[in-house]
Amino acid sequence: GAGVSQSPSNKVTEKGKDVELRCDPISGHTALYWYRQRLGQGLEFLIYFQGNSAPDKSGLPSDRFSAERTGESVSTLTIQRTQQEDSAVYLCASSLTGTGNTIYFGEGSWLTVV
Amino acid sequence: QQQVKQSPQSLIVQKGGISIINCAYENTAFDYFPWYQQFPGKGPALLIAIRPDVSEKKEGRFTISFNKSAKQFSLHIMDSQPGDSATYFCAARSFGSYIPTFGRGTSLIVHP
Repeated sequence: GAGVSQSPSNKVTEKGKDVELRCDPISGHTALYWYRQRLGQGLEFLIYFQGNSAPDKSGLPSDRFSAERTGESVSTLTIQRTQQEDSAVYLCASSLTGTGNTIYFGEGSWLTVV
Repeated sequence: QQQVKQSPQSLIVQKGGISIINCAYENTAFDYFPWYQQFPGKGPALLIAIRPDVSEKKEGRFTISFNKSAKQFSLHIMDSQPGDSATYFCAARSFGSYIPTFGRGTSLIVHP
């Protein structure tokens, strides 16, 4: 596609449920990032994928968070046993190389945990 | 990751005025400093970026000023327009790293 595509755009879930957020990066982009943006806050790094290398999971806030990526395409961020503090916009981004020079963001998935 | 400190948190400017957003950093290994612009409901988009070998970079009404010795950089928006109303994030990345560190963002409102 022309840009980074994320789904769903909005998700309301009950506390304790699991959610999956999907990201389809720009075709040919080898690097993929997930960030979290809480209301009025900055961009919090979660996880980074580069090609077939092991992902950098250093930003994941707890073991309830996990992410997978199939080759150099779609990625899924999974949040298990959601809590109210997980409410945020989850942004996916991709870049052509792993240098992070120009990162292209999707429009995000807005997650609300009630 | 080293923190990038951004100020102010919010900024209100009249149309035609100059908007100035400041960022400071500690990690001297940072070698790339981009600014991102985010409109409501959209993802951030790269606006302009600078490397520390120059002190200023200008693109249209947007200028980055960089002070290496003070470890500070700033975004200046000249002749600010209502369409510039958005959240602006500064960021920094060190050589060999692939994960930029973002500031907390500045919400800019330009009144017509």
